[in-house]
Amino acid sequence: LAKTTQPISMDSYEGQEVNITCSHNNIATNDYITWYQQFPSQGPRFIIQGYKTKVTNEVASLFIPADRKSSTLSLPRVSLSDTAVYYCLVVARIKAAGNKLTFGGGTRVLVKP
Amino acid sequence: EPEVTQTPSHQVTQMGQEVILRCVPISNHLYFYWYRQILGQKVEFLVSFYNNEISEKSEIFDDQFSVERPDGSNFTLKIRSTKLEDSAMYFCASSAQRDRYTGELFFGEGSRLTVL
Repeated sequence: LAKTTQPISMDSYEGQEVNITCSHNNIATNDYITWYQQFPSQGPRFIIQGYKTKVTNEVASLFIPADRKSSTLSLPRVSLSDTAVYYCLVVARIKAAGNKLTFGGGTRVLVKP
Repeated sequence: EPEVTQTPSHQVTQMGQEVILRCVPISNHLYFYWYRQILGQKVEFLVSFYNNEISEKSEIFDDQFSVERPDGSNFTLKIRSTKLEDSAMYFCASSAQRDRYTGELFFGEGSRLTVL
């Protein structure tokens, strides 16, 4: 499974856009890129996933270049409640039942007033 | 919005005691998981469960651990004889059939286990 590398931490201010870039140089052809958010003492929460180009939902956008060796999670106009750890995961498309997620250290985002 | 619920939210136990952590996955989900997170560390995969059997387990999930879906709604994690190093937050998760190839799992709020 492709290893991911992302910044350990980032600071931002309310109302700003936060972009977190994750590198996954050894991503395989059938792998998806998935992002999770985790607040303190809570379970991870799925944010967004994509395979290539751009994906947008009500929470975030995910930009994936053509070579798929990196991806960028974009959080528009963050608020204090977006302070959390954000995990980038590469998820193998497998035929076995279920899907095991491998979490790294994540990026700790602190949103300041 | 449907959610995964876990009980207890916090359990304190003595080393060597048996502990059962309970989870109610989202009702139409077919894939079930347990993860754990030791304080300040990464979220770690323990086990996945499908069609009433374990589909994958990690090295952490040794003979002291077992899982069960006793009644079609609950999904339990049993630790037979707890050790100090079992102290962690344990997260149950479930996923739907359509998401079995992707990474969308729904996690519960967690059960904090403290072993003294």
